[in-house]
Amino acid sequence: NAGVTQTPKFQVLKTGQSMTLQCAQDMNHEYMSWYRQDPGMGLRLIHYSVGAGITDQGEVPNGYNVSRSTTEDFPLRLLSAAPSQTSVYFCASSPSGGETQYFGPGTRLLVL
Amino acid sequence: KQEVTQIPAALSVPEGENLVLNCSFTDSAIYNLQWFRQDPGKGLTSLLLIQSSQREQTSGRLNASLDKSSGRSTLYIAASQPGDSATYLCAVHSFSNTGNQFYFGTGTSLTVIP
Repeated sequence: NAGVTQTPKFQVLKTGQSMTLQCAQDMNHEYMSWYRQDPGMGLRLIHYSVGAGITDQGEVPNGYNVSRSTTEDFPLRLLSAAPSQTSVYFCASSPSGGETQYFGPGTRLLVL
Repeated sequence: KQEVTQIPAALSVPEGENLVLNCSFTDSAIYNLQWFRQDPGKGLTSLLLIQSSQREQTSGRLNASLDKSSGRSTLYIAASQPGDSATYLCAVHSFSNTGNQFYFGTGTSLTVIP
């Protein structure tokens, strides 16, 4: 099993550009989530999904969109990047949400 | 809103010492609490998961305890080794007005000196 994979590893954007951060898991997990990690703030939940076709907002959803068309994939979209979205983004999955979470390696995003 | 605090923010110990990392949370209505390890520039690796009905979990040299009523958890590391150097994060799975979510502390950065 590859576990949770994320692409790209690193990305530089200009303010106003859009992009999609990819996340995939091969463990047949129903629950997937996106976090951002900022210095001194810990990880904060952006969006999560409890299964294909079902998504919900986390603590800091503004500026981000998600969709879950398959069990395996959970992309995160930035529609119009802002410098405040400079962060490290982690995707995680677990079987149904209440168990051990498995994290991807992260995507470092710099918005200029 | 659930608030998770980890003290100390950084800790440096000589190799072989036993140590305790602390995690506190403000709302005792939790599903579970999880301890993670994060190496620099890497993702998070789960160490231990304690369900809300449990008091402790053990894995090798690690022991995590949970006192839900007082909103506290500790991670005990026995006979520390240089390879234990990393940031340790605790996360609480609990309810919120936007559904059930995981709330993370800011972590304790541990350095074990050979």
